[in-house]
Amino acid sequence: NAGVTQTPKFRVLKTGQSMTLLCAQDMNHEYMYWYRQDPGMGLRLIHYSVGEGTTAKGEVPDGYNVSRLKKQNFLLGLESAAPSQTSVYFCASSYYRTGPGELFFGEGSRLTVL
Amino acid sequence: AQKITQTQPGMFVQEKEAVTLDCTYDTSDQSYGLFWYKQPSSGEMIFLIYQGSYDEQNATEGRYSLNFQKARKSANLVISASQLGDSAMYFCAMREDGGGSNYKLTFGKGTLLTVNP
Repeated sequence: NAGVTQTPKFRVLKTGQSMTLLCAQDMNHEYMYWYRQDPGMGLRLIHYSVGEGTTAKGEVPDGYNVSRLKKQNFLLGLESAAPSQTSVYFCASSYYRTGPGELFFGEGSRLTVL
Repeated sequence: AQKITQTQPGMFVQEKEAVTLDCTYDTSDQSYGLFWYKQPSSGEMIFLIYQGSYDEQNATEGRYSLNFQKARKSANLVISASQLGDSAMYFCAMREDGGGSNYKLTFGKGTLLTVNP
């Protein structure tokens, strides 16, 4: 009963390093999202995808890239990490065909950029 | 302009009492959905309740109810009979269903609820 799985859960990077966060969902959801959570800021949308092979920018996309080569996976990349990207990152998925279309979230990935 | 406004950064309530968490929203779409999520200190995001813009009845889920006042554009969360386990951050969110919305949710900044014994 995995739902939405994010890896890694924790990561420390040095400024300028690159990394990729992986999100995998096993619910056959079409829509996937990457949010970042910062104290006092709520959750802000970075990028999202409405289906395999499609991606789009959210509210705070600068410094991030994404790919969705397979329906079940949504990757978030940081090409050159900056201290401002220190945050907790949440992946989510949804299926807006029946029901309210709530987001199902992963457990979050805590990233620290030194 | 903020689409979701939660004006209470923090709230305190006594155990077993009811508490209302405020949320106002801003949209020009006729069709939209409103959500509340709970985030305990462990960090996971837990979906609590949903209200559609065309729903005439206020949504209820156990001890949670959503006080939906469409004309005022408010969607307050009411928790009845608070429990210590209700201590958490609560987020209000909106999905605008107009063309091109792509079903993404916009979140408020959250309200930290503390339930005192």
